[in-house]
Amino acid sequence: DAKTTQPPSMDCAEGRAANLPCNHSTISGNEYVYWYRQIHSQGPQYIIHGLKNNETNEMASLIITEDRKSSTLILPHATLRDTAVYYCIVRLVLSGTASKLTFGTGTRLQVTL
Amino acid sequence: NAGVTQTPKFQVLKTGQSMTLQCAQDMNHEYMSWYRQDPGMGLRLIHYSVGAGITDQGEVPNGYNVSRSTTEDFPLRLLSAAPSQTSVYFCASSYLLAGGQETQYFGPGTRLLVL
Repeated sequence: DAKTTQPPSMDCAEGRAANLPCNHSTISGNEYVYWYRQIHSQGPQYIIHGLKNNETNEMASLIITEDRKSSTLILPHATLRDTAVYYCIVRLVLSGTASKLTFGTGTRLQVTL
Repeated sequence: NAGVTQTPKFQVLKTGQSMTLQCAQDMNHEYMSWYRQDPGMGLRLIHYSVGAGITDQGEVPNGYNVSRSTTEDFPLRLLSAAPSQTSVYFCASSYLLAGGQETQYFGPGTRLLVL
């Protein structure tokens, strides 16, 4: 699985958009980009994933560059409850293989008043 | 659905003791995994299973055993606890969508202290 690079920490004012970057320059053509977050020692929570196209769900948007070497997770209106560690994970998903996510140290997002 | 449940929430062991961390899911997921998380670090995979009766080692399997006799349950056994196994343990389950897309669901964790 491709390695990812994320800034260790970011701050965001409540109500503003939080843009969390991730570099994955060695990603291969059939590897997906996943984002999870972990709020204060709870179990990680799935946010969103994508392959090539930009994706949006009720939690966030995922923007993947055309060359797929980087992506950005966007929380459009951050709240204090979005304070968490955000993990960007790139992996190949094949039918019949197990879930072997490789977590880095992630980005610690602090949302402030 | 209860999702992924783990018991106990907290446990203190003495060096050399054995114990089993329980994990259960009610979503009929094929895949289940165990991770450990040490302070300030990301999660590391211990063992995983692609279905009942099938298990394999992850990144840090030493000192742990698993079995998968049913789809629902995936217990993790510590054979002889060591202080280095002090950590938070997370169980996860997942399924595959069409096209190979996959989402993992994590339990709340078990906090283990080995003295």
